[in-house]
Amino acid sequence: QQQVKQSPQSLIVQKGGISIINCAYENTAFDYFPWYQQFPGKGPALLIAIRPDVSEKKEGRFTISFNKSAKQFSLHIMDSQPGDSATYFCAASMKTSGSRLTFGEGTQLTVNP
Amino acid sequence: DGGITQSPKYLFRKEGQNVTLSCEQNLNHDAMYWYRQDPGQGLRLIYYSQIVNDFQKGDIAEGYSVSREKKESFPLTVTSAQKNPTAFYLCASTPPGGYGYTFGSGTRLTVV
Repeated sequence: QQQVKQSPQSLIVQKGGISIINCAYENTAFDYFPWYQQFPGKGPALLIAIRPDVSEKKEGRFTISFNKSAKQFSLHIMDSQPGDSATYFCAASMKTSGSRLTFGEGTQLTVNP
Repeated sequence: DGGITQSPKYLFRKEGQNVTLSCEQNLNHDAMYWYRQDPGQGLRLIYYSQIVNDFQKGDIAEGYSVSREKKESFPLTVTSAQKNPTAFYLCASTPPGGYGYTFGSGTRLTVV
């Protein structure tokens, strides 16, 4: 019930391509879905987040697509760049657990030049 | 600048030793968290605290202890009871009623 499943575990994309990372959840009480970006040896940083009352949110080259009925959400990185190479985590939280986040397993993205 | 400071960046522990990881924030956040990160396993919650002098166990609390005597500080002690402590440890915080974490830069603990 508390799990967030993330795929793929690793992803290799050519420069300029689209990177897509998917997450699925079971608990319908989740009401906040952020994505974090982590570079080696650093802490994760918030990239973009969405709430279930919208189906899509875009910030620059990063877009979250949210499918409430399927209990899935995904991160799309358009025009992927080598500097986007990092580990990406999806997460979810709900009001009854305060601000506590449950994280996916992470996706290691490599963008080749 | 406001943020979360974790120290040390690297820490080595001998078998049977307790070690304490520091986490300090100047963001005036109420809630603080400790996560453990292992390759391929994402971030797993060790302990969290929503107010001073109160904390709760997370999913993998065994072998760890915490204290929250000040709002700004949430130190984590890795005890000798933790059999596999080698990992990257991350501290995070959130503001009152807020969503989304601010993370520190982490402490890499290695057993030698």
